[in-house]
Amino acid sequence: GESVGLHLPTLSVQEGDNSIINCAYSNSASDYFIWYKQESGKGPQFIIDIRSNMDKRQGQRVTVLLNKTVKHLSLQIAATQPGDSAVYFCAENIAGYSTLTFGKGTMLLVSP
Amino acid sequence: GAVVSQHPSWVICKSGTSVKIECRSLDFQATTMFWYRQFPKQSLMLMATSNEGSKATYEQGVEKDKFLINHASLTLSTLTVTSAHPEDSSFYICSASLSGRTTEQFFGPGTRLTVL
Repeated sequence: GESVGLHLPTLSVQEGDNSIINCAYSNSASDYFIWYKQESGKGPQFIIDIRSNMDKRQGQRVTVLLNKTVKHLSLQIAATQPGDSAVYFCAENIAGYSTLTFGKGTMLLVSP
Repeated sequence: GAVVSQHPSWVICKSGTSVKIECRSLDFQATTMFWYRQFPKQSLMLMATSNEGSKATYEQGVEKDKFLINHASLTLSTLTVTSAHPEDSSFYICSASLSGRTTEQFFGPGTRLTVL
């Protein structure tokens, strides 16, 4: 299930389940979005990105969905594995600007 | 490719001292580097954007005299935390962008700073 901790929402799933991590972004001018995975004590690792002219993009075991109408982004992980346990962040970028704005993050816990 | 390193990976210092953190792009030239700070169980907060050969652009609320950034070459940026205090204890992460592709950031492994 999903719970909201003091700072970081947590999603707990069983190995083999599909996971869906959600992100609401705030700026309607954002046109490029990235999902990052961050393991404890490490820097963020790129997972997948999507531009605003698309509503879906697939990678290996991951799919990103973009709903611009409600400013919502989701990351779907198929057949979740214990190695997927980490904190996942979405980040948004506005065309013409170099900076990224990170969302609050969701901790994914995968139990065997 | 596109590997970014940070040094040191962790540092403990006494209150009032200064600490320098290095960020290097190992196999590419980075016109732009970014410095982030991350407190436990929180997101990454951008501190400043550093362009090679020019002054860094600091985000609102970040003291430029306390967090000195130098980007002297296309492969190295440094962050110096001056007169560190316990509230500066955090995880500092840098990222680097390939020249001309500033939306694609490659992140370093982070530096854990603990100020006693």
